[in-house]
Amino acid sequence: EPEVTQTPSHQVTQMGQEVILRCVPISNHLYFYWYRQILGQKVEFLVSFYNNEISEKSEIFDDQFSVERPDGSNFTLKIRSTKLEDSAMYFCAGTGSMNTEAFFGQGTRLTVV
Amino acid sequence: RKEVEQDPGPFNVPEGATVAFNCTYSNSASQSFFWYRQDCRKEPKLLMSVYSSGNEDGRFTAQLNRASQYISLLIRDSKLSDSATYLCVVIMRGDSWGKFQFGAGTQVVVTP
Repeated sequence: EPEVTQTPSHQVTQMGQEVILRCVPISNHLYFYWYRQILGQKVEFLVSFYNNEISEKSEIFDDQFSVERPDGSNFTLKIRSTKLEDSAMYFCAGTGSMNTEAFFGQGTRLTVV
Repeated sequence: RKEVEQDPGPFNVPEGATVAFNCTYSNSASQSFFWYRQDCRKEPKLLMSVYSSGNEDGRFTAQLNRASQYISLLIRDSKLSDSATYLCVVIMRGDSWGKFQFGAGTQVVVTP
């Protein structure tokens, strides 16, 4: 079964540093998403991305966050200056089209110290 | 008020028994509903979509009650492998596909 691949599986970074979380979506997917889950809390929507631009973003997705799909395969989430409260599991997801199942990657655990 | 609310549990269920739990949503204009399963520290995985007429997939039955704004999940003949957190997921009308509103999850523990 095709899968969404995320790297790294765990990233530890110092507060104020930039991090880039990487995702390789399923090859025929067109819609891409980032979600996060703070430990013990619910999964929260960050951003959706289609046709090389952001479709929708949440209040969490402020100026410190950015996404891009530079080479048509990797889909990245960048946090410019990490804060302690950015510590969470970040999930990438994708769908092939509207109204189809969303597949999630296994997540990147980000720890900001 | 939370958009999507779930009883966190845990629901401790003997193997072979039936367990059922609900999820309430606050936005009456919600348009799409799902149950996802999440194992500890893993990614959410789609269990089933929830249709207006209710639907069944093997031992799992999902129902939607629009009037009372809740969805339900029933698991029959529970297996040890059913132990997980079950996430209620809603898409609000007007939101783009894939902008899921997740509940905090209901933990189910199936015991031998």
